[in-house]
Amino acid sequence: DAGVIQSPRHEVTEMGQEVTLRCKPISGHNSLFWYRQTMMRGLELLIYFNNNVPIDDSGMPEDRFSAKMPNASFSTLKIQPSEPRDSAVYFCASSSPGSPLHFGNGTRLTVT
Amino acid sequence: EDQVTQSPEALRLQEGESSSLNCSYTVSGLRGLFWYRQDPGKGPEFLFTLYSAGEEKEKERLKATLTKKESFLHITAPKPEDSATYLCAVRGGPGGATNKLIFGTGTLLAVQP
Repeated sequence: DAGVIQSPRHEVTEMGQEVTLRCKPISGHNSLFWYRQTMMRGLELLIYFNNNVPIDDSGMPEDRFSAKMPNASFSTLKIQPSEPRDSAVYFCASSSPGSPLHFGNGTRLTVT
Repeated sequence: EDQVTQSPEALRLQEGESSSLNCSYTVSGLRGLFWYRQDPGKGPEFLFTLYSAGEEKEKERLKATLTKKESFLHITAPKPEDSATYLCAVRGGPGGATNKLIFGTGTLLAVQP
């Protein structure tokens, strides 16, 4: 089991640029979650999907953020345009019913 | 609104010095309280799930307990390799498809040799 795979591990970009983060969940898991982690606010849930369908996107901070899950093995989180305050570590996690969340190792985003 | 508060924010222990971390929660209909460990540069790693008051789980030097308002993570005779951030999370609300977790901000534990 390769676990949840995220790419890239690090992303440095300039303000105003588009950023796309990618996630491959664990095979067989039907729930996928995007979290953001900062020193000030800890882990915040941005959006989660069940069976590829977005269930709760109330944590998405602004319209600049969007997420897709075109199939059971792939999801993207896009920020367009990016701003310095978006700098954080973004985690993807997956789970199956009743099981704990399994996290990837995150993407550290720096927007200058 | 579901809420999780962890204390202390940071804890420094000498090797072998036992202690406890606290997680206080407010949730409508608890459907699981979770403990995770996070090492620098990595994602949170699952440790325990507790479902009902009075339940306890153990793993090596760690023991998690649960009451109706809080959970404790007891660390017995810690070693330097136990140094990490420990995160608490709750799953609440009505049953069904929802599986989201609400996290506390964590306790940073440093164990010195």
